[in-house]
Amino acid sequence: DTGVSQNPRHKITKRGQNVTFRCDPISEHNRLYWYRQTLGQGPEFLTYFQNEAQLEKSRLLSDRFSAERPKGSFSTLEIQRTEQGDSAMYLCASSFLGEGTQYFGPGTRLLVL
Amino acid sequence: AQSVTQPDIHITVSEGASLELRCNYSYGATPYLFWYVQSPGQGLQLLLKYFSGDTLVQGIKGFEAEFKRSQSSFNLRKPSVHWSDAAEYFCAVAPGVGFGNEKLTFGTGTRLTIIP
Repeated sequence: DTGVSQNPRHKITKRGQNVTFRCDPISEHNRLYWYRQTLGQGPEFLTYFQNEAQLEKSRLLSDRFSAERPKGSFSTLEIQRTEQGDSAMYLCASSFLGEGTQYFGPGTRLLVL
Repeated sequence: AQSVTQPDIHITVSEGASLELRCNYSYGATPYLFWYVQSPGQGLQLLLKYFSGDTLVQGIKGFEAEFKRSQSSFNLRKPSVHWSDAAEYFCAVAPGVGFGNEKLTFGTGTRLTIIP
């Protein structure tokens, strides 16, 4: 068990560019969550998957954001036409339905210039 | 909707002293409560959780927390802090476990500084 991994760890991009982040959950965890954390705040829920199905999206997730989890394994979060307000830490967590504990990855820190 | 309040933004404690971090929640049903710790630039590590049963729960690194339903609180304690405990601490609540969306709602965090 190597834990939840996220790549890249850091990303600097210019406003208007597209970026994609990857999350590899703990193997056999059937739930995967994305959160966003801005400076001085706690993480906020964005979306979650059960296996490959995306079951809920937060209102924070504008149309510029899309997430996928093909085959119920790793997940990607894409942000199109980035804005400076997208600068944040993007955290991924995985869990096994019913166990109740979410295990977090190290996060991807995004800076939009 | 559930919410979590951590009234202390920043706490400074001397090494070896006791610690209590406050957490109050708002939720209509039985809450599922968590404390996570985050070191600078890192993800979150679970310290402990409360689902049911004994209201005093033990966690890792010598931490414990007590659930008090009458006060809607879940305060984190440690009898003697170490310099390595310096970090950001987050309290979180989930609407349920085992069904539906187990998404976590976090407080704004308490930054803990340890002085020699």
